[in-house]
Amino acid sequence: AQKITQTQPGMFVQEKEAVTLDCTYDTSDPSYGLFWYKQPSSGEMIFLIYQGSYDQQNATEGRYSLNFQKARKSANLVISASQLGDSAMYFCAMRGALYGGSQGNLIFGKGTKLSVKP
Amino acid sequence: KAGVTQTPRYLIKTRGQQVTLSCSPISGHRSVSWYQQTPGQGLQFLFEYFSETQRNKGNFPGRFSGRQFSNSRSEMNVSTLELGDSALYLCASSLASGGARTGELFFGEGSRLTVL
Repeated sequence: AQKITQTQPGMFVQEKEAVTLDCTYDTSDPSYGLFWYKQPSSGEMIFLIYQGSYDQQNATEGRYSLNFQKARKSANLVISASQLGDSAMYFCAMRGALYGGSQGNLIFGKGTKLSVKP
Repeated sequence: KAGVTQTPRYLIKTRGQQVTLSCSPISGHRSVSWYQQTPGQGLQFLFEYFSETQRNKGNFPGRFSGRQFSNSRSEMNVSTLELGDSALYLCASSLASGGARTGELFFGEGSRLTVL
């Protein structure tokens, strides 16, 4: 069965510093996709970054980068130069290839609550 | 372009009642998925619709149902509400181009249901 583990329930970071949010996954699928989402208090899930299992390079999107270590089955999110607006819940998620054309079934971790201190 | 729109944003029901939630996907997106988010269970997949057909279903009782219309708008219904159905219900849409390597989900702000 597929599983996502986020071991940090909460984290604090000083404004302008970098922070790493941990994510490990378990799957037997040879092809899969890994996602990070941000959920502010408003409730909306905001897509941050995507990494495909066959991608050769780590994904980057602005201040977000994904430290993908396939052999260790980890996909950590790195946020550089933290801002106060980064305070939110962060979820790691995975979509497997077993579901064929199904796009909507993501398996989510429990999330990490990030608090940015001024 | 407009994002995913969910209505209503907040609602309160009593046990035994039923509720219908609505989701309008991003224009051009044909896949709509629904998730339930609770503090205890986290985010759990309910079902996915594509071209008016249910394509995938999570592990929820038959009280939870959904449908999709020809304009890709989707509704989900929960009958005989229980206290444990109190949750944030999130809808997401995607282009559904296929494969595990493509297609991020775009979420709405959710409908927060409280069952008394």
